[in-house]
Amino acid sequence: QKEVEQNSGPLSVPEGAIASLNCTYSDRGSQSFFWYRQYSGKSPELIMSIYSNGDKEDGRFTAQLNKASQYVSLLIRDSQPSDSATYLCAVSPGNNFNKFYFGSGTKLNVKP
Amino acid sequence: DAGITQSPRHKVTETGTPVTLRCHQTENHRYMYWYRQDPGHGLRLIHYSYGVKDTDKGEVSDGYSVSRSKTEDFLLTLESATSSQTSVYFCAISAGGGDTEAFFGQGTRLTVV
Repeated sequence: QKEVEQNSGPLSVPEGAIASLNCTYSDRGSQSFFWYRQYSGKSPELIMSIYSNGDKEDGRFTAQLNKASQYVSLLIRDSQPSDSATYLCAVSPGNNFNKFYFGSGTKLNVKP
Repeated sequence: DAGITQSPRHKVTETGTPVTLRCHQTENHRYMYWYRQDPGHGLRLIHYSYGVKDTDKGEVSDGYSVSRSKTEDFLLTLESATSSQTSVYFCAISAGGGDTEAFFGQGTRLTVV
């Protein structure tokens, strides 16, 4: 079982819609969770981090964490074509919060 | 952008030759990481360092070694490159401690022929 699981997609949404990206993790002791965006041929770029259950909003992005269900999600409101990228979920394991395990990423396509 | 520089950015090498990739940071962060990224596998941790001369293995460490003689430099060595090590390699840094994030370098595309 992989530490972090994501649907590879592609997820296609029309411009202006809400894109919902999901991630599950296996280590119940995990405390830190991150979303990265990666454009083709580029390096991963941190979008958001979340450490507590509930929602965290930053502009058009909202991260949601449910530790009981071992589930973290990213919502992108008013999706733009420039949001088209691969989104990577990362989790720090409970026994070492200075390590980062990544999912394989979900490819998002926002159609004009 | 976080001050992380990877070199070289691209390299083609022959099977069986040694290869060293360099990661240099100007942030004075304690933690440094080497990941490889392959289609369908996402980012996989090769090795990481939690201080000068302090390193540990990640998920896919076989065939790789690392060294960190200075805070700012973290080297990844493929002792005898194989075609299965063809990949994009990313270095990342983190300040460490709780509630900290990792930031990535530009990546090195390595092709072993």
